[in-house]
Amino acid sequence: QKEVEQNSGPLSVPEGAIASLNCTYSDRGSQSFFWYRQYSGKSPELIMFIYSNGDKEDGRFTAQLNKASQYVSLLIRDSQPSDSATYLCAVNQAGTALIFGKGTTLSVSS
Amino acid sequence: GAVVSQHPSRVICKSGTSVKIECRSLDFQATTMFWYRQFPKQSLMLMATSNEGSKATYEQGVEKDKFLINHASLTLSTLTVTSAHPEDSSFYICSPRGNINEQFFGPGTRLTVL
Repeated sequence: QKEVEQNSGPLSVPEGAIASLNCTYSDRGSQSFFWYRQYSGKSPELIMFIYSNGDKEDGRFTAQLNKASQYVSLLIRDSQPSDSATYLCAVNQAGTALIFGKGTTLSVSS
Repeated sequence: GAVVSQHPSRVICKSGTSVKIECRSLDFQATTMFWYRQFPKQSLMLMATSNEGSKATYEQGVEKDKFLINHASLTLSTLTVTSAHPEDSSFYICSPRGNINEQFFGPGTRLTVL
């Protein structure tokens, strides 16, 4: 059974702080790694994807991947109240469906 | 990103009735369609995978005779929940994929079975 694990939270950070979200996965054959944001009652929206070990930065977001440890993380710098949402980690192999974690709820207080 | 529509966005029905959910990829051809459902406070769970013109492949524990999937064209797929019961109440999300390894997501359909 392929699994993606996330701490459900809630993770609470003050406005302007760095939020760190973590995810582990069980399938060593996983090739692609995604972070989605989901607001209550809405569909997920893609924030970032990463394929290679190391860091990938996009604006305030940085994804980090360590395939040896089967670990992927998302850092959100200068957190804003509008970043408050559930963040879903998802993985797949080429051609297969995304497998999602349960998500981490982030709350950014102003 | 791609434009995906789902209809209806919200539906309430009586137990025992059937509900059809439509998913359209408006600006690309979806060679593969994934259907997910999400219960409150849970993650998206893959229900089935369908390729255009082929029968859907269902995940373990998902009844193929209860959740009928049709993917007759590259821009339209439907999910029919037959003889719906309260435990089928969930958020159903379609996820089309084109020729590259990127999945898009429809806006979802909130099904409530009374």
